[in-house]
Amino acid sequence: GDSVTQMEGPVTLSEEAFLTINCTYTATGYPSLFWYVQYPGEGLQLLLKATKADDKGSNKGFEATYRKETTSFHLEKGSVQVSDSAVYFCALSDSNAGNMLTFGGGTRLMVKP
Amino acid sequence: DTAVSQTPKYLVTQMGNDKSIKCEQNLGHDTMYWYKQDSKKFLKIMFSYNNKELIINETVPNRFSPKSPDKAHLNLHINSLELGDSAVYFCASSRTGLHNSPLHFGNGTRLTVT
Repeated sequence: GDSVTQMEGPVTLSEEAFLTINCTYTATGYPSLFWYVQYPGEGLQLLLKATKADDKGSNKGFEATYRKETTSFHLEKGSVQVSDSAVYFCALSDSNAGNMLTFGGGTRLMVKP
Repeated sequence: DTAVSQTPKYLVTQMGNDKSIKCEQNLGHDTMYWYKQDSKKFLKIMFSYNNKELIINETVPNRFSPKSPDKAHLNLHINSLELGDSAVYFCASSRTGLHNSPLHFGNGTRLTVT
């Protein structure tokens, strides 16, 4: 079955530091890949997505590239802010499984001023 | 003009009680979902409805019964609540038939069973 594995947190960084959150996946079909962000007390929001190999999703300074050869979709940001503190979820949607998302376990990011 | 709204936001109840969580979306989406998030933030799909019809029913106790009166609403009723049901429950919606269509989530209902 499909699965998503992402690095365990928490990840603690100082403001303006470089961020990488690793995500790898296994899928039976041709998945689309997503990063969602969950701010405290809120639901998940789509951060970015990529629908085919070598696509790069980007939003709010965050980027992730769909790497089929390494089955990865690592999230990066060049300079984090305190307001980026949240839980980040990597997810995939498999063409063989309709629109059902499979989520990774989430990675908590804490950015200190 | 909230896209996906669920009520209540917090629900505290005792073991053995029956409770419901309501969800409504105004995005015109055809597919709605219930997810359960445990204390470690792990998210698991529970149900998915497409145009009021159940299409995904993961391994969930039959004490949980979703009901979709129309495609804009998907309510979750839970009978005989147990301590292990304590979690945050998220409703979500998406456009049908597009596996790269993102999900839109509600803000969650934190259920605490004492």
